[in-house]
Amino acid sequence: ELKVEQNPLFLSMQEGKNYTIYCNYSTTSDRLYWYRQDPGKSLESLFVLLSNGAVKQEGRLMASLDTKARLSTLHITAAVHDLSATYFCAVDSRGSGYALNFGKGTSLLVTP
Amino acid sequence: DVKVTQSSRYLVKRTGEKVFLECVQDMDHENMFWYRQDPGLGLRLIYFSYDVKMKEKGDIPEGYSVSREKKERFSLILESASTNQTSMYLCASHRDSHSPLHFGNGTRLTVT
Repeated sequence: ELKVEQNPLFLSMQEGKNYTIYCNYSTTSDRLYWYRQDPGKSLESLFVLLSNGAVKQEGRLMASLDTKARLSTLHITAAVHDLSATYFCAVDSRGSGYALNFGKGTSLLVTP
Repeated sequence: DVKVTQSSRYLVKRTGEKVFLECVQDMDHENMFWYRQDPGLGLRLIYFSYDVKMKEKGDIPEGYSVSREKKERFSLILESASTNQTSMYLCASHRDSHSPLHFGNGTRLTVT
């Protein structure tokens, strides 16, 4: 069974600081997805990483994928309060692209 | 923009009732999914469908069934609701495995 592990699960950081969220998964996959969820809202797609070495950036967030290490990172640069949310990584569990297994999420709070 | 619409935002049902959760997407997506989201457990896949009248079990299909009679509509059915099915249910769709999932706003179901 595919396991998708995120760490940390909770993160409180000051505005202006940098930090990285890690996503490890247990079986071979070359597709990984990052989502954001605001409180009381649904999930919104952030990044789709489709190959080893893929790197995507949007604003203060940058995601990367190392399929050999079975690891993806979501790096936050100079955090701002608006980034407070829960971040999920998801991995294609069947190699078909049809179904994703999600991590438990990292709840991020950015404080002044 | 893709729109995934779930028919109810909140539902309260009694144990033993048959419950229908409806989901409609407007972007002609082939693939549709039902997840449930519980605190500390993340999102877990219940069922998915990659074509009309086709369905595949996810990781936790027990106690659920689905129906996809039309491409745009994917229904989740709780045959006999139980209290352990109290949860947030999220419907999602995507065009193909290179595309992110688009989520609906969720249905918070309480079974008493």
